[in-house]
Formats: sequence, C-alpha cells, structure tokens
Amino acid sequence: ILNVEQSPQSLHVQEGDSTNFTCSFPSSNFYALHWYRWETAKSPEALFVMTLNGDEKKKGRISATLNTKEGYSYLYIKGSQPEDSATYLCASPNTGNQFYFGTGTSLTVIP
Amino acid sequence: SQTIHQWPATLVQPVGSPLSLECTVEGTSNPNLYWYRQAAGRGLQLLFYSVGIGQISSEVPQNLSASRPQDRQFILSSKKLLLSDSGFYLCAWSVWQVETQYFGPGTRLLVL
Repeated sequence: ILNVEQSPQSLHVQEGDSTNFTCSFPSSNFYALHWYRWETAKSPEALFVMTLNGDEKKKGRISATLNTKEGYSYLYIKGSQPEDSATYLCASPNTGNQFYFGTGTSLTVIP
Repeated sequence: SQTIHQWPATLVQPVGSPLSLECTVEGTSNPNLYWYRQAAGRGLQLLFYSVGIGQISSEVPQNLSASRPQDRQFILSSKKLLLSDSGFYLCAWSVWQVETQYFGPGTRLLVL
C-alpha cells in the first residue's frame, strides 16, 4: 500500500483568487502521479497524468508540477471561479497497477 | 469510444442482506478493473482490482468479495451487509499505470 497524502484537507477562496495544494507520495519505485477533479454527485474526472521529474502540465487555468525526487506534486488554479469548486484527488499507482488515492482537497470558491 | 456502466445508482439495504453491484466496460479489451469505496468523510479506498478474467486481488480484508466472470464485467458482492458497508462505490478501468483511470457513475449504498 502506498501512502499518498494531500494538504490542505479543505480550502475556501474568493472568486478571482489563485490557489494551490499539495500531493505527497513515496518517491521510490515511482510510476506516475494522477490528478482528478471530483464534483459532488459525479464521477472523478481526470485532469493530468504526470510521469517525469520536472513535468509541468496545464489545462486552461489549472496547472500541475511534479517532483519525483522529493515525492510531491502541486496543483495550481489561477483566478478561481465558482465552477472550480470540487474535491481534487491525486493518486499514485504501483508496479501492480494498483492506484492509491489521497484523501483529497475540497475547494470551495466563494462568489 | 469507451464507456463504463454501473448499476444500480442507489441502493438501500437492511443489515445482513446480500449485495451485488455490477460494472461493465465497453469499447476496450482486457482492461484493468477496480472497485473503490468512499465512506462518509473519507477518501477513495481501493477495495479490489483485477488484471484479467478470474484474477482478483483484495486490498482490504472485509466482508466484501469481487468477481470477474467476463473480460469487461466486474461484480462486487457481499453475503451479509454491515452498517459500515454504507458508502459510495465506484468502478474504474485503466490500461496501465501511466494512463488515466476512467470511473463509472457510482452506486450510493445505504445500509440500515
């Protein structure tokens, strides 16, 4: 079992603010780091899959970075909007294709 | 394109009753299949995964079991439900670790 941790557990920001949160994972035997966005009453939706140290990915106002040597990834949201409100999950798979998820960061964007 | 189905969408069951949740995937062959559970206030917990027909690995000892009778069918079962089995159950599929997992719509289970 891989220990994947996320912080903070929850976050409230004002509309227009930028924000970021952290995912930490074991740096040994690293394969990939996944970010998902999970809205209430829906299924988790994939944001990014990152594999290389120093990787940076971007989708609209959301971006992510990866540091495999120290075992962390940051997710950034620029100019938060109410529709960004969701739980953001990260996951790290192991050699056997098992995925281990963090407990998520719950983001609320206040209009 | 690939799609993943889960049913039922919601279920209310008494303690001690049996359970069967079904998940099917379309548009891909030999996927890795997963069952997850989110209990109230918790994250996603991996319950079972399967890399092929009849091959099931369990992550957490509990009163649940899983089966994969066909390549694209994954079933979660219990002979006797406990109150602690309440939660949101998600089925997912992927090809391998460095590609995205795709999730089904989920089943909300309430055990009373």
